[in-house]
Amino acid sequence: NAGVTQTPKFRVLKTGQSMTLLCAQDMNHEYMYWYRQDPGMGLRLIHYSVGEGTTAKGEVPDGYNVSRLKKQNFLLGLESAAPSQTSVYFCASSPGTLEQYFGPGTRLTVT
Amino acid sequence: AQKITQTQPGMFVQEKEAVTLDCTYDTSDPSYGLFWYKQPSSGEMIFLIYQGSYDQQNATEGRYSLNFQKARKSANLVISASQLGDSAMYFCAMRGRLNTGNQFYFGTGTSLTVIP
Repeated sequence: NAGVTQTPKFRVLKTGQSMTLLCAQDMNHEYMYWYRQDPGMGLRLIHYSVGEGTTAKGEVPDGYNVSRLKKQNFLLGLESAAPSQTSVYFCASSPGTLEQYFGPGTRLTVT
Repeated sequence: AQKITQTQPGMFVQEKEAVTLDCTYDTSDPSYGLFWYKQPSSGEMIFLIYQGSYDQQNATEGRYSLNFQKARKSANLVISASQLGDSAMYFCAMRGRLNTGNQFYFGTGTSLTVIP
C-alpha cells in the first residue's frame, strides 16, 4: 500500500515549456486535491476532484489544468510555465469528510 | 468567506514543556471540520488531529489535543511534554461540508522550535 505518490519529485522548466505532474493513490479515495506551497503562504488549493471524471477550481487555478480520467490518478498540467509557478506542489486524497493524505511533494523551478 | 488565521509565525518551547499554537477561523458553513498538520523539515505533511464542528468534546491524540472554542471560532493545538522531534511547521486547516465543495483551507503555519 503506497498511499499517495507523486511523479516527478523534482523538475526544472524553462519559461513557456509545458509539463504534467502525476498523482496516484491506491486507497480508493473519492476526493483528490492539488495544492501549491510557497514560503509564508501555507498551502493553497489549485484544483480538486470529488470523483472520477469530475474536477473543480480551487483558490488559485489560473495557469493550471487538471484531469481525473481514472479514480486513482489526478493529473496537473502546466501548459506554458511561468516563473510565478515555481513552487512545491502537493497532491492529496481523502475518503470523504475526514483528513487528507498527502503525497511527498514535487519541487518545481521555472527559469 | 472561508479563512484560517495563524498569528504566530514562530514559537519556541523548552523540551518537556507544553505549548499552544493558535488558530482562528471564519466560515459561513454550518458544518465543518478542523485539522492540524505537521510538516517537518523533510517536507511531508503529517495529519495530527481532527475536530468536527458538532463534536461535544475536544479531540485528543496522544500528546496532541485541540482546544476547540466554537463561539470564539478558535481551534488551538496543544502539544504536551514537547520533544525535540516536534520541531516543525504546524498548519491549521478547515474543511467545509456544504457551502465550500469539500475544499480545505490552510493557515500560513507556525514554526515550532523545541529547545533542549
